[in-house]
Amino acid sequence: AQKITQTQPGMFVQEKEAVTLDCTYDTSDQSYGLFWYKQPSSGEMIFLIYQGSYDEQNATEGRYSLNFQKARKSANLVISASQLGDSAMYFCAMREAPKITGGGNKLTFGTGTQLKVEL
Amino acid sequence: EAQVTQNPRYLITVTGKKLTVTCSQNMNHEYMSWYRQDPGLGLRQIYYSMNVEVTDKGDVPEGYKVSRKEKRNFPLILESPSPNQTSLYFCASSLSGDRGLQTQYFGPGTRLLVL
Repeated sequence: AQKITQTQPGMFVQEKEAVTLDCTYDTSDQSYGLFWYKQPSSGEMIFLIYQGSYDEQNATEGRYSLNFQKARKSANLVISASQLGDSAMYFCAMREAPKITGGGNKLTFGTGTQLKVEL
Repeated sequence: EAQVTQNPRYLITVTGKKLTVTCSQNMNHEYMSWYRQDPGLGLRQIYYSMNVEVTDKGDVPEGYKVSRKEKRNFPLILESPSPNQTSLYFCASSLSGDRGLQTQYFGPGTRLLVL
């Protein structure tokens, strides 16, 4: 069974600083996808960034980048130049490979990291 | 406007009284899914559906049922709710496949309290 681990329940960062949110995963699949989502206090889930297991380059989306280290099974999110609006809960998630029988595609989420950006 | 809608948004009920939370999407997505979110546990997938009449269990399916009779709708049914099903529930939809799941659209959430 696949598993996602986020070991930082909460983090503080100063505005304009960079911050790294940790995520490690465990899977026996060769093909999988890794995702990061942001959940502000209003509750909605916002997709941030995606990394495929066969992608050789680290994904980047604006101020977000994903530090993908396949051998270590880690997929850390890096937020550069933090802003007050980045204060939110952040979830790492993994999609397992589709199965020939038609199953798979299940998304497993980590427990989240609460990020607080301070002045 | 592309969206996923859930109803009701808030619900207080009593143990054992059957309830249904509806989910509807207007994007012709194949993939739909239900999650529950609990403090300290993150989001856990309850059931998902790859297409009409195709559903599969997620990580925490016990106590829940789903159906996918139409592409746009994916209701979550609690036949006999119990207090441990008090949670925040999210419905989500996307195109199928890895790239599709990148743009998984989430509904606004349903807060359920079972007394």
